[in-house]
Amino acid sequence: QKEVEQNSGPLSVPEGAIASLNCTYSDRVSQSFFWYRQYSGKSPELIMSIYSNGDKEDGRFTAQLNKASQYVSLLIRDSQPSDSATYLCAVNHQAGTALIFGKGTTLSVSS
Amino acid sequence: DTGVSQDPRHKITKRGQNVTFRCDPISEHNRLYWYRQTLGQGPEFLTYFQNEAQLEKSRLLSDRFSAERPKGSFSTLEIQRTEQGDSAMYLCASSSTINTEAFFGQGTRLTVV
Repeated sequence: QKEVEQNSGPLSVPEGAIASLNCTYSDRVSQSFFWYRQYSGKSPELIMSIYSNGDKEDGRFTAQLNKASQYVSLLIRDSQPSDSATYLCAVNHQAGTALIFGKGTTLSVSS
Repeated sequence: DTGVSQDPRHKITKRGQNVTFRCDPISEHNRLYWYRQTLGQGPEFLTYFQNEAQLEKSRLLSDRFSAERPKGSFSTLEIQRTEQGDSAMYLCASSSTINTEAFFGQGTRLTVV
């Protein structure tokens, strides 16, 4: 059973702080890793993808991947109240197969 | 590029009725996925198409659920004899073969009463 695990939270951070969201996955041969943001009542929105070990930065977002530890994280710098949402980690264990999602971590940024 | 489009956005149906949802993927995407999401959970995979071929189907998917993608473009998801437990958001996503990034439609919220 291929699984993706996330702490459901809520994770609460003050405005301007760094939010750190974590995800572990069970299938060692997983190839592609994604972070989605989902606002309440809306559909998931892709914010980051990462395929190789190391860091990938896009604006205020940094995705980090460590395949040896089967761990992927998302850092949000200078957190804003508009970042308050559920963040979903998704893993694609083999090219051409469907994404497997975690349950999501709820982030709350207070002003 | 108009994105992934789903219709209807909301559906209320009585228990025992059949419902059908439609998904139009991003035009150049040949992969199409159906997911179901309930409150507090991540999207749960239902089934996946590459062009018109249904390549993967969740073992959790009841025989009451069927999906088609007859010409490799839009897809339909039908639920027969709906039950209250079918109440959920049904999400469609699409991706290309070259880039595995998947983009979601707005979803169809189903309420079975």
